[in-house]
Amino acid sequence: IQLTQSPSSLSASVGDRVSITCRASQGISSYLVWYQQKPGKAPDLLIYAASTLQSGVPSRFSGSGSGTDFTLTISSLQPEDFATYYCQQLNSYPLTFGGGTKVEIK
Amino acid sequence: EVQLVESGGGLVKPGGSLRLSCAASGFIFSTYSMSWVRQAPGKGLEWVSSISSSSSHIFYADSVKGRFTISRDNAKNSLYLQMNSLRAEDTAVYFCARPLTMTVIEGNGFDSWGQGTLVTVSS
Repeated sequence: IQLTQSPSSLSASVGDRVSITCRASQGISSYLVWYQQKPGKAPDLLIYAASTLQSGVPSRFSGSGSGTDFTLTISSLQPEDFATYYCQQLNSYPLTFGGGTKVEIK
Repeated sequence: EVQLVESGGGLVKPGGSLRLSCAASGFIFSTYSMSWVRQAPGKGLEWVSSISSSSSHIFYADSVKGRFTISRDNAKNSLYLQMNSLRAEDTAVYFCARPLTMTVIEGNGFDSWGQGTLVTVSS
């Protein structure tokens, strides 16, 4: 199952609303998660089951979608949110990740 | 506190071998499936392999199938990745990862990751 993330990068300002999409090549129900990764660090789990916020993750992050189309939204971008975001499907092996979206400061 | 600590990375020549280890603590290791994920320099994340809690189910990415072997020792709370016939394209940071729920497939992603160990394949 291929996951296509868009955009691959974006520039935004603090306070902006940002959305990242992830499209699966076939239906994956809600078995999709989102990670945030900062340089030199391991990824952090943000959202699981497409829309459930992982414990400790700020409520400005939200996820939606099911089947083949998914979205990660950051309602008001904060300085600590500048990072790369990845989607991952857990519907079947081989597990796959999206190509990533780098969120940069405008 | 969940801790995953990888070791065993380093510089190896093409065609060579390396064995990675991941020492787990802070949770009941024997009840969780475990996985390896890698990231080539400047690139995205790539799933490598997963193993069920009892080692009865093992899965590999096509890119490593036949060359890499995942294993675990529940008595030692340890996960391993034996890497043979290494290629330049295997150069990456290798992370071990634990799923949020005990299983990987139809699960909730990886909530615990090690710091990663760098494998460099070069002559």
